[in-house]
Amino acid sequence: AQSVTQPDIHITVSEGASLELRCNYSYGATPYLFWYVQSPGQGLQLLLKYFSGDTLVQGIKGFEAEFKRSQSSFNLRKPSVHWSDAAEYFCAVGVGGSQGNLIFGKGTKLSVKP
Amino acid sequence: DSGVTQTPKHLITATGQRVTLRCSPRSGDLSVYWYQQSLDQGLQFLIQYYNGEERAKGNILERFSAQQFPDLHSELNLSSLELGDSALYFCASSVGHNTGELFFGEGSRLTVL
Repeated sequence: AQSVTQPDIHITVSEGASLELRCNYSYGATPYLFWYVQSPGQGLQLLLKYFSGDTLVQGIKGFEAEFKRSQSSFNLRKPSVHWSDAAEYFCAVGVGGSQGNLIFGKGTKLSVKP
Repeated sequence: DSGVTQTPKHLITATGQRVTLRCSPRSGDLSVYWYQQSLDQGLQFLIQYYNGEERAKGNILERFSAQQFPDLHSELNLSSLELGDSALYFCASSVGHNTGELFFGEGSRLTVL
């Protein structure tokens, strides 16, 4: 069965420091992979997505993610974190080749220290 | 602002009751999705409608039902409510039935007492 694991429940980084949020998935075929961000009291917003092709994908707000098939991973990175990046981040995989019926990880809450 | 509108934002009700959550998708979007977010289960896909027709079904209980109307707004009906149904219910929309980007509303927070 498809699943998504985000091993880090909560991460704290200093403003200006680099960030990497981990995501591992379980899926039989080439997956559709997504990262969404949820700010407090808000709905989810798509940061980036991977369907095929270049394994390094660029997203909004300076985020990028790299698909590594051999490691079943899709880690999210940002070279320099801003205080406004504090939020909860969700990795997701599309079910059965779908791009809307998603299985989400449990999320990683990011806190940013001044 | 994603363009997806959900009402009500907050709802408190008692066990055994029935509630209806409403969603207006972004203008032009034909697909509507419902997700449930709870502390123990996380985010779970419930159901998808595309242009009025049910397209996919996830972990939706039999006590729950949904529909999409000709004007493309959608309603999620939750009946015989239990304490465990307390959660944040999100609606999302997308242009097509499989287009890769969902636009989420701010959610309806349901509290069952």
